[in-house]
Amino acid sequence: QVQLVQSGAEVKKPGASVKVSCKASGYTFTNFDINWVRQATGQGLEWMGWMNPRGGASGFAQKFQGRVSLSSNTSTTTAYMELSSLTSDDTAVYYCARGVVSSSWFDYWGQGSLVTVSS
Amino acid sequence: DFQMTQSPSSVSASVGDRVTITCRAGQDIRRWLAWFQQKPGKAPKLLIYETSTLQSGVPSRFSGSGSGTDFTLTITSLQPEDSATYFCQQAHALPRTFGPGTKVEIK
Repeated sequence: QVQLVQSGAEVKKPGASVKVSCKASGYTFTNFDINWVRQATGQGLEWMGWMNPRGGASGFAQKFQGRVSLSSNTSTTTAYMELSSLTSDDTAVYYCARGVVSSSWFDYWGQGSLVTVSS
Repeated sequence: DFQMTQSPSSVSASVGDRVTITCRAGQDIRRWLAWFQQKPGKAPKLLIYETSTLQSGVPSRFSGSGSGTDFTLTITSLQPEDSATYFCQQAHALPRTFGPGTKVEIK
C-alpha cells in the first residue's frame, strides 16, 4: 500500500533552516510528483511547491521562492523539503503529498511534521 | 493566485441529515476542483477530485457538483464519523490554493 512517512518534529531558532524528509513506499517513486503543503495551528492549508523525482523539475508558490529547496533521493525513495531563514510565521505542520495528473490532485499524504520556530 | 472561499464556515447537523458545503473560486476553474476531509491531528484525505469523481474507498454518501466558479460538496445521511473540517482546492492553476475550510459538527 502507498505510504508516505515523514521525519519527526523539529524546534528551530529564528534565522535557521529546517529539512523535512518524506519516505515513500508502495509505488514507483519516480512516476509521481511530491508536493509540500503546510498548515499553521488552527489555520488552513497552504501549498508550497512540487517536484518530480524523475527529472528533478520543480515549482514553488511565489511567497516561498528563494527560501525553499525541494530534492529527492531515488535510491532511498525519499523526498526532502528545506526551508531557510525561518521566522515564527513558519511554525506549522508540514505535509508531503503525492501528486497525480501534473500535481492537480493529492491522493496520499504523509502524517505531517511539526516545525516550531522559537527563540 | 486563484482565491477560494467556502460557506458556511461551520455547520452543526444531526445524524442522517443532508449537509451541503459551497466553494466559490475567484475565477473560472472549469471542473478543476477537489474536496478534502481533515480530522483533528490527521492529514487531509482526498474525497473527490475533478469536481465529482469519488476517490477510491470514499463512501457514496459524499458527492460533488458544479463548474466554473461555484461548487458544492454534499453529504447525504450524515454519519458520526463525518465530523471533520472540509476543504476545497483548485487545480486549474499554480499555485494550488485551498478554501478556508468548513467545520462539520454532529448535534
